[in-house]
Amino acid sequence: TQLLEQSPQFLSIQEGENLTVYCNSSSVFSSLQWYRQEPGEGPVLLVTVVTGGEVKKLKRLTFQFGDARKDSSLHITAAQPGDTGLYLCALGLGSTLGRLYFGRGTQLTVWP
Amino acid sequence: DAGITQSPRHKVTETGTPVTLRCHQTENHRYMYWYRQDPGHGLRLIHYSYGVKDTDKGEVSDGYSVSRSKTEDFLLTLESATSSQTSVYFCAISSGGARDTEAFFGQGTRLTVV
Repeated sequence: TQLLEQSPQFLSIQEGENLTVYCNSSSVFSSLQWYRQEPGEGPVLLVTVVTGGEVKKLKRLTFQFGDARKDSSLHITAAQPGDTGLYLCALGLGSTLGRLYFGRGTQLTVWP
Repeated sequence: DAGITQSPRHKVTETGTPVTLRCHQTENHRYMYWYRQDPGHGLRLIHYSYGVKDTDKGEVSDGYSVSRSKTEDFLLTLESATSSQTSVYFCAISSGGARDTEAFFGQGTRLTVV
């Protein structure tokens, strides 16, 4: 059973389009992180959300944490080819960052 | 860049042979992790360590063992490699202790078991 469900699994869009990807769980999170992974590289942290209802912006990327802290979304405005990559959400369990679990990811391809 | 080095970066081995992958960090971080990444599965946690000689199992620990005798090194051993263990393996480190602590990843080891 996956702790974190990500959707869609694949997304292929044209440059300039907007998109949203989702990360959901049946459990309540104390925090949730979003990472991006490019081919041949390890994932790199984009953002951490810790408060229900929180919204964080990183240039054209907007991250939202659900009010009940059981879901999160990542919205990209005016996607660019440089946004291509695997987007992973991650959940740290326990009182400290012990086991760090990831969802299966959304593979985003942005075509010029 | 965080100081994480994985070795080897690529390895081809035969079924039934033992294999050890090494993760070395220069950040003095408490937590170290081993993941495998396969198409359609994201990153799956194999084992992690929360201190020297302190390790615990993750989601997919069968067929793998780990050791951490020094803060800087975390070894992953496949006692008898199988074709199902063909994968890309990532090591990660974290200082831990807070909800927003970042995990830093190595560049991965591509292992092929033939």
